[in-house]
Amino acid sequence: RKEVEQDPGPFNVPEGATVAFNCTYSNSASQSFFWYRQDCRKEPKLLMSVYSSGNEDGRFTAQLNRASQYISLLIRDSKLSDSATYLCVVGPRIKNRDDKIIFGKGTRLHILP
Amino acid sequence: NAGVTQTPKFQVLKTGQSMTLQCAQDMNHEYMSWYRQDPGMGLRLIHYSVGAGITDQGEVPNGYNVSRSTTEDFPLRLLSAAPSQTSVYFCASRVDGLGLVGELFFGEGSRLTVL
Repeated sequence: RKEVEQDPGPFNVPEGATVAFNCTYSNSASQSFFWYRQDCRKEPKLLMSVYSSGNEDGRFTAQLNRASQYISLLIRDSKLSDSATYLCVVGPRIKNRDDKIIFGKGTRLHILP
Repeated sequence: NAGVTQTPKFQVLKTGQSMTLQCAQDMNHEYMSWYRQDPGMGLRLIHYSVGAGITDQGEVPNGYNVSRSTTEDFPLRLLSAAPSQTSVYFCASRVDGLGLVGELFFGEGSRLTVL
């Protein structure tokens, strides 16, 4: 099983629709979870950290399921500007500051007008 | 607030040439890292540093050297460029808290082509 796995897409979704992505991870000791957004030919930027209780930021909701080892991202009322690649990022609890976080390969989202 | 600054943004090299990608951050972050991003491969860690004077290898370190003489700067050196090193390179810094990994702040990227 790959360390962090995402459906590469693309997801072609009409404007205003709701879309959800999942990301699975293999290391049960993982403690840090994030969704980053990357626009074409740009650097990744943090979209949301994912907390154990789940968290919401406007139209975006992230959830963590430790039992099944996946995190999810839900986008409601999608906008054209949501078109991007969404990267799932998983990391350990830091011990001795020697740690490596793992990036998924990303899920491409196209919002259609 | 400049954040993470990478130079150059674009570079074309011939096989065998050497060069240095510069990275500087003004956020006083201890952790800095270099990634490369290739189509279909995602972001892969090349080298990282947890503080001045400390560096370590990531997933794909071969052909690259780093040093960290100051908190601010973390240059990446290509010793003898090969076509396989054609990629987009991102420098990133991070501040951690409460034992958990914190947010990564990325530079705008450096697009390198090796002919």
